[in-house]
Amino acid sequence: AQSVTQLGSHVSVSEGALVLLRCNYSSSVPPYLFWYVQYPNQGLQLLLKYTTGATLVKGINGFEAEFKKSETSFHLTKPSAHMSDAAEYFCAVSDLKTGGFKTIFGAGTRLFVKA
Amino acid sequence: DTAVSQTPKYLVTQMGNDKSIKCEQNLGHDTMYWYKQDSKKFLKIMFSYNNKELIINETVPNRFSPKSPDKAHLNLHINSLELGDSAVYFCASSQDTEKLFFGSGTQLSVL
Repeated sequence: AQSVTQLGSHVSVSEGALVLLRCNYSSSVPPYLFWYVQYPNQGLQLLLKYTTGATLVKGINGFEAEFKKSETSFHLTKPSAHMSDAAEYFCAVSDLKTGGFKTIFGAGTRLFVKA
Repeated sequence: DTAVSQTPKYLVTQMGNDKSIKCEQNLGHDTMYWYKQDSKKFLKIMFSYNNKELIINETVPNRFSPKSPDKAHLNLHINSLELGDSAVYFCASSQDTEKLFFGSGTQLSVL
């Protein structure tokens, strides 16, 4: 069975500092990996995804993530945090089932950005 | 022009009542989902429908019954509501890809 572990339920950074949100996954097949962001009182939005090909993927709002098979990791980074990045971030892994994908989410990491 | 829309946004009700949440997507997607997000923000898949056919049914109490009248709609009916059903319920859709498009959620409070 697939699973996702996000290290740290809360991360706090200063504005302009590096953002690093950690994610490790477990999958018996080559995984499809994702990061989603959730702003207060909203649904989730896709930040970026890895399916195949280049292991460093770039997403929206300056975020990127690197797929490291040997470490079973898919950590999310952003060089310089902005106040508007404060939100809940979810790492997810997807598995193709008959008729569609089943996506499993990590427990989420709340990112706080200090002025 | 909202891609995935859910109604109502807030639902406050008494234990034992029956309630429904509606979801519609105008993206032309074949697959729709219901997810439950608890108070600790943990997201768990409940159901998935592909072209009106149930394809994923996680271990959800049978008080929860999804219905898909057509591929653009997926409703969730909950019988005999319990305190533990309080959560935010998200509808989502996808089409031939692993990317999910989420609605803005329905916050259910059972008193």
